[in-house]
Amino acid sequence: NAGVTQTPKFRVLKTGQSMTLLCAQDMNHEYMYWYRQDPGMGLRLIHYSVGEGTTAKGEVPDGYNVSRLKKQNFLLGLESAAPSQTSVYFCASSYRDPMSVNTEAFFGQGTRLTVV
Amino acid sequence: RKEVEQDPGPFNVPEGATVAFNCTYSNSASQSFFWYRQDCRKEPKLLMSVYSSGNEDGRFTAQLNRASQYISLLIRDSKLSDSATYLCVVNLAKDSNYQLIWGAGTKLIIKP
Repeated sequence: NAGVTQTPKFRVLKTGQSMTLLCAQDMNHEYMYWYRQDPGMGLRLIHYSVGEGTTAKGEVPDGYNVSRLKKQNFLLGLESAAPSQTSVYFCASSYRDPMSVNTEAFFGQGTRLTVV
Repeated sequence: RKEVEQDPGPFNVPEGATVAFNCTYSNSASQSFFWYRQDCRKEPKLLMSVYSSGNEDGRFTAQLNRASQYISLLIRDSKLSDSATYLCVVNLAKDSNYQLIWGAGTKLIIKP
């Protein structure tokens, strides 16, 4: 069972470079999310999607763009990477509405991104 | 003040002991509460949802105190495998959007 798969797992970028993080889920989930995790801070929501073709901004969307062209895929783009975007990025998906009591989010294994 | 606060720890606890930690939240409109577990350099995984009446899953008990705005997690008969960081999560409807607010986590180390 693949669940949520993220690629790549590690990446080093130079300031100003661009990249796309790929997230794929095989659970037929409607909802997908991109988070970043920094030391001493909770996971922060970058962007999310409530279904194919939809995206919405989360708590920290600046400097990132997303696309959900297919239900199973959610892409996170960095157009011009900055050192402040050094972080661990997690993709997640869920079947239910995030406001539901029993919503469980399933996470990918994370992408460790360093911007130098 | 952070919207969700946790004691970062670490809590160093001998195997077999009982340990409990809390998570406070600032917004009284919060509706849903969860505990996730995150092992070192791994992804978070759901441990349990927290229901208003409190709930138990094996050695784990979660409770919600709306009046004081905190949730708690109690682990009985702790095992070495319980060593992890425990993340508190609060769902909050805000400005017609949802927000999933995560605590920074409490690190638990179980010692033999």
